[in-house]
Amino acid sequence: SYVLTQPPSVSVAPGQTATIRCGGNNVDSKSVHWYQQKPGQAPVVVVYDDGARPSGIPERFSGSNSGNTATLTISTVEAGDEADYFCQVWDGSSDDIVFGGGTRLTVL
Amino acid sequence: QVQLQESGPGLVKPSETLSLSCAVTGFSIDAGYYWGWVRQPPGGGLQWIGSMFPDGSPYYSPSLKSRVTISKDTSKNHFSLKVNSVTPADTAMYYCVRSATFLTDGCYFDSWGQGTLVSVSS
Repeated sequence: SYVLTQPPSVSVAPGQTATIRCGGNNVDSKSVHWYQQKPGQAPVVVVYDDGARPSGIPERFSGSNSGNTATLTISTVEAGDEADYFCQVWDGSSDDIVFGGGTRLTVL
Repeated sequence: QVQLQESGPGLVKPSETLSLSCAVTGFSIDAGYYWGWVRQPPGGGLQWIGSMFPDGSPYYSPSLKSRVTISKDTSKNHFSLKVNSVTPADTAMYYCVRSATFLTDGCYFDSWGQGTLVSVSS
């Protein structure tokens, strides 16, 4: 089955840019979606189809997908961005929806 | 605005059946979207369990399909999840979810319930 790999943690100072990567074999052949999950809350999609933003999500959140790595970029990080972030794809070869293991973003 | 709300027992004994319901308000489950379930063990990651077509036809994750049933009750605008023969490994927060597409690259979950925690223990 398809595997998505994320670093367990990323730390960044307020006002800086956070980069969260999601690795998968030829992941650029798939559409990658990103979710933010704050403690005690359900996940919320922040980027879909590699780089599109749902209404209400700040422009500070952006995404890209190339080769074997998809990337979620959060610019001008705020304390309120501290959360777990998960990437997700549809794997047509196994007919399964696959999530990455998640990355905890810590704002220093 | 669509809202999803899970309900069901918080404690299930090993080998028994876990049964949950998801009540949907603000949107008809017959209106062309796809409805499903995702779970998350304590401190762990997300796992898709399965989803349902608008006509009620289910589709399950290969890793769970032998133990899972998803069905809908249109008269009440809710849908349900059953997981058979549970073990402690099935202990998780269970979320009901909605997606606009399914079986495509564009499939993602745009609405989530708040989740309900189910523990499997004797």
